[in-house]
Amino acid sequence: DSGVTQTPKHLITATGQRVTLRCSPRSGDLSVYWYQQSLDQGLQFLIQYYNGEERAKGNILERFSAQQFPDLHSELNLSSLELGDSALYFCASSPRTLAGNPNTGELFFGEGSRLTVL
Amino acid sequence: AQRVTQPEKLLSVFKGAPVELKCNYSYSGSPELFWYVQYSRQRLQLLLRHISRESIKGFTADLNKGETSFHLKKPFAQEEDSAMYYCALYNAGGTSYGKLTFGQGTILTVHP
Repeated sequence: DSGVTQTPKHLITATGQRVTLRCSPRSGDLSVYWYQQSLDQGLQFLIQYYNGEERAKGNILERFSAQQFPDLHSELNLSSLELGDSALYFCASSPRTLAGNPNTGELFFGEGSRLTVL
Repeated sequence: AQRVTQPEKLLSVFKGAPVELKCNYSYSGSPELFWYVQYSRQRLQLLLRHISRESIKGFTADLNKGETSFHLKKPFAQEEDSAMYYCALYNAGGTSYGKLTFGQGTILTVHP
């Protein structure tokens, strides 16, 4: 499967801990997006990277950080975890436009990483 | 700031009935709007985009700049249309170039 892959699929941890979520974009896609999905907040944009550089930032907490590596995979680090951080975290990647612009608005999503903080 | 509002969290219709999922947006530039769908146990995926002006699985959506709306419509709903639908606004310029903002989502249930 050459689609977006995310690991781990499920993660259970305790408050105060730190976790790292990993994402590999589709082959050829340079943009990576991170979203948080919770029942009451819907799909919240966290951050976007393009070819290793931060491109846009959403409502990402200071306890959260992300990066995109030279091989284009991305990691989302969540620290000092709280109960309210329990959510589904999605990664998505986006292709270039035919004109060579970095994004098209069409995102390809991974299956998500379900984080449960106890 | 860009914002997408989907006023209905839940929408139920019977098979064969028309369905309309509402979406309103606020954006200072020229909007690019999308509908995404998530079927049970499947990934979130693109359904349609306003630029293409296409009909996908019988769904259409018209951008109304005057009303800042991008409602999704289908004349005859099918049971397989049951899913979560998200309206999304793409920022094609400015400091947040590339940002895709989603609405809260609407869960559509089509009853037999």
